[in-house]
Amino acid sequence: EAGVAQSPRYKIIEKRQSVAFWCNPISGHATLYWYQQILGQGPKLLIQFQNNGVVDDSQLPKDRFSAERLKGVDSTLKIQPAKLEDSAVYLCASSLGGNEKLFFGSGTQLSVL
Amino acid sequence: AQSVTQPDIHITVSEGASLELRCNYSYGATPYLFWYVQSPGQGLQLLLKYFSGDTLVQGIKGFEAEFKRSQSSFNLRKPSVHWSDAAEYFCAVGFYTSGNTPLVFGKGTRLSVIA
Repeated sequence: EAGVAQSPRYKIIEKRQSVAFWCNPISGHATLYWYQQILGQGPKLLIQFQNNGVVDDSQLPKDRFSAERLKGVDSTLKIQPAKLEDSAVYLCASSLGGNEKLFFGSGTQLSVL
Repeated sequence: AQSVTQPDIHITVSEGASLELRCNYSYGATPYLFWYVQSPGQGLQLLLKYFSGDTLVQGIKGFEAEFKRSQSSFNLRKPSVHWSDAAEYFCAVGFYTSGNTPLVFGKGTRLSVIA
């Protein structure tokens, strides 16, 4: 079974530039999550989708971050403009429904210079 | 608000020795508890979870964890560590309302294994 796919694997940008990350969840998984993992910390939920609807985006900095899952399958997360403190690994995860078992991708490591 | 504390940032054990990683949570009701492992450059993988019932849960790779309500703890254990167990371990807590609430992760404990 294919896992959660993410791209790109690494991204280096300058502050104030924009960047986008892509995630393709496991086939059939209704729930998709984007997490931010800053060095030395645990993952923090940014946004959670159930099919193509947003379940929780309370911790998403909406002035600069946006995410969409238009067809209820793959998803993109965008940052515009990026700040130095956005340097982190962005993890995508999916699950069949609830949070009983999340499957994580390998993440996108973002460096903002 | 719920929170998770992993008191140990980094632990080093010898191969073949036993292991215990600590996790404490703060939440009023009975939580759902998880341990995830993250190898370098990889995503997180679920080791085990506690939802209800037997407070000693078995997971993959020979790991087990025990839920102790009186201590608000969910410590991870393994009787004999292998070099391949070197990784970052995260404890996480969730709770059930409508069935789909976000997990809160601890900051992680990095495990090093020496010969």
